[in-house]
Amino acid sequence: EAEVAQSPRYKITEKSQAVAFWCDPISGHATLYWYRQILGQGPELLVQFQDESVVDDSQLPKDRFSAERLKGVDSTLKIQPAELGDSAMYLCASSALARFEQFFGPGTRLTVL
Amino acid sequence: DAKTTQPPSMDCAEGRAANLPCNHSTISGNEYVYWYRQIHSQGPQYIIHGLKNNETNEMASLIITEDRKSSTLILPHATLRDTAVYYCIVSVAGGTSYGKLTFGQGTILTVHP
Repeated sequence: EAEVAQSPRYKITEKSQAVAFWCDPISGHATLYWYRQILGQGPELLVQFQDESVVDDSQLPKDRFSAERLKGVDSTLKIQPAELGDSAMYLCASSALARFEQFFGPGTRLTVL
Repeated sequence: DAKTTQPPSMDCAEGRAANLPCNHSTISGNEYVYWYRQIHSQGPQYIIHGLKNNETNEMASLIITEDRKSSTLILPHATLRDTAVYYCIVSVAGGTSYGKLTFGQGTILTVHP
């Protein structure tokens, strides 16, 4: 069964450093989402792509976070510089066009020291 | 999107039906009810969704009240592997908000032997 791939699975970094996360959605899925999940809370949408275009980035802290999906396939989420409060699970999800179901990857657990 | 209210935790005996309630009293006519679950250390998993009719799939049944202000997710024969956080989400299906999921705290379901 096709799955959303994410790497790395775990990342430890020091504050003020730059970090990047990668996501490869299920083949053919036009919509890609990045979520952040703080321990004990539900996931929060950071950015939504439709192909290579950003549909919603209203919750993305744009002073330090950036996301791209240049060819409309895989995507990268970057944080520069990382802050202590960025410690969280970063989840990527994808869905087929006009379908309700989102498929989530295993996530990247970020710890900022 | 309309907000949802779920009990923070529930218990269920293995083999019995698990009935998870959700209140969404401010739901609009064009908003769907979605259920996802998240098993520890994994990404969320789609379970089911509905608009106003009851729905059933291989995982669960969704019962939506006639006034659409509340719903119940039913796991007919709960197993230990169903122990997870269950999220009830209300979201529109259309426009730029299509597919946007706003997760709350969810219900921690514990299935015990």
